[in-house]
Amino acid sequence: AQSVTQPDIHITVSEGASLELRCNYSYGATPYLFWYVQSPGQGLQLLLKYFSGDTLVQGIKGFEAEFKRSQSSFNLRKPSVHWSDAAEYFCAVGSNFGNEKLTFGTGTRLTIIP
Amino acid sequence: EPEVTQTPSHQVTQMGQEVILRCVPISNHLYFYWYRQILGQKVEFLVSFYNNEISEKSEIFDDQFSVERPDGSNFTLKIRSTKLEDSAMYFCASRANNEQPQHFGDGTRLSIL
Repeated sequence: AQSVTQPDIHITVSEGASLELRCNYSYGATPYLFWYVQSPGQGLQLLLKYFSGDTLVQGIKGFEAEFKRSQSSFNLRKPSVHWSDAAEYFCAVGSNFGNEKLTFGTGTRLTIIP
Repeated sequence: EPEVTQTPSHQVTQMGQEVILRCVPISNHLYFYWYRQILGQKVEFLVSFYNNEISEKSEIFDDQFSVERPDGSNFTLKIRSTKLEDSAMYFCASRANNEQPQHFGDGTRLSIL
């Protein structure tokens, strides 16, 4: 069965500092990988996705993520965070077969300090 | 940009009552999903729907749950006899095809009293 691990429950970074959120997945074939962001009281907004091809993918709001098959990881990065980036971040794995249900990690809450 | 819309944003219901959560997926999408997120926990898959039938459901999606696409635009989740543990945020999502990601609505917060 597919699974996602986000080892960091809560991360605090200073505004302007760099950010890396970790994600490890377990999946029997080539996965489809996603990062979603959830602001308080809001839905899930897609930040970026990996389906195939270049393992470094660019997303919205200046985020990027790198797929490393050997490490089963898909870490999210941003070179300089803004106060508006404070939110909950979810990594998810799906498949390219049929209905592609998503399996989510437990999320990482990001706090930005001035 | 087209959005998935969900109504109501918050639903309060007495235990044992039936509740229907409504979703309007993006218009040209073909795959539809419901997920739920219990407070403080991760988002969990409930059911997927394609070509007017359920394509997959989780063990959470028992006989108390049903989904329907009553017309060309709505996608509903019904819980027949709600329990306290059904209290959660319920998200609807839709997807155009296998090469596109799922797009989520803002969710309906369901509170069972």
